[in-house]
Amino acid sequence: KAGVTQTPRYLIKTRGQQVTLSCSPISGHRSVSWYQQTPGQGLQFLFEYFSETQRNKGNFPGRFSGRQFSNSRSEMNVSTLELGDSALYLCASAGDPLGPQHFGDGTRLSIL
Amino acid sequence: SQKIEQNSEALNIQEGKTATLTCNYTNYSPAYLQWYRQDPGRGPVFLLLIRENEKEKRKERLKVTFDTTLKQSLFHITASQPADSATYLCALPSGYALNFGKGTSLLVTP
Repeated sequence: KAGVTQTPRYLIKTRGQQVTLSCSPISGHRSVSWYQQTPGQGLQFLFEYFSETQRNKGNFPGRFSGRQFSNSRSEMNVSTLELGDSALYLCASAGDPLGPQHFGDGTRLSIL
Repeated sequence: SQKIEQNSEALNIQEGKTATLTCNYTNYSPAYLQWYRQDPGRGPVFLLLIRENEKEKRKERLKVTFDTTLKQSLFHITASQPADSATYLCALPSGYALNFGKGTSLLVTP
């Protein structure tokens, strides 16, 4: 069974730009969550989607948004990028929303 | 506010010894707690889930305890090996979100 796939693996952007990150969950998994990981703050929850509905959102500004498609694939978007948005963005899928999460290896976003 | 605390100091132990990592939490009433392992540059990998009505759970060399009165979970790796060197994260649910501690780095030396 293929794991969670995130694209791209690395991305360099400049302040003020916007970015879209993509996540393909494990086949059959309908729950997809996104996280931001930084050395200072650790792993922080961004949002969770299930059957195209956002069920939970973390404490992040409105510049961070996401969506899920009917095939469970998900994208997250960050607009008006700031230097502080530099981080590893991780996607995770789950067969049981209250069970183990299966993570991709993330997208490393660097803001110049 | 909800907090999950893990020892921020790295844990260095000798091969063959038992490593014990701690996860303390406040303002949670979790139905379960999870432990993950993360290697540099990789996403976390799920290790164990323990439910509130379970005191202890084992998987091969791993053992997790869960004390809802103390609001603490202990994660043990017995007969540790250099390959066990990684960062270990505990996680607690909050609605459909999973909140993580900042992790404890474990280094096992030969």
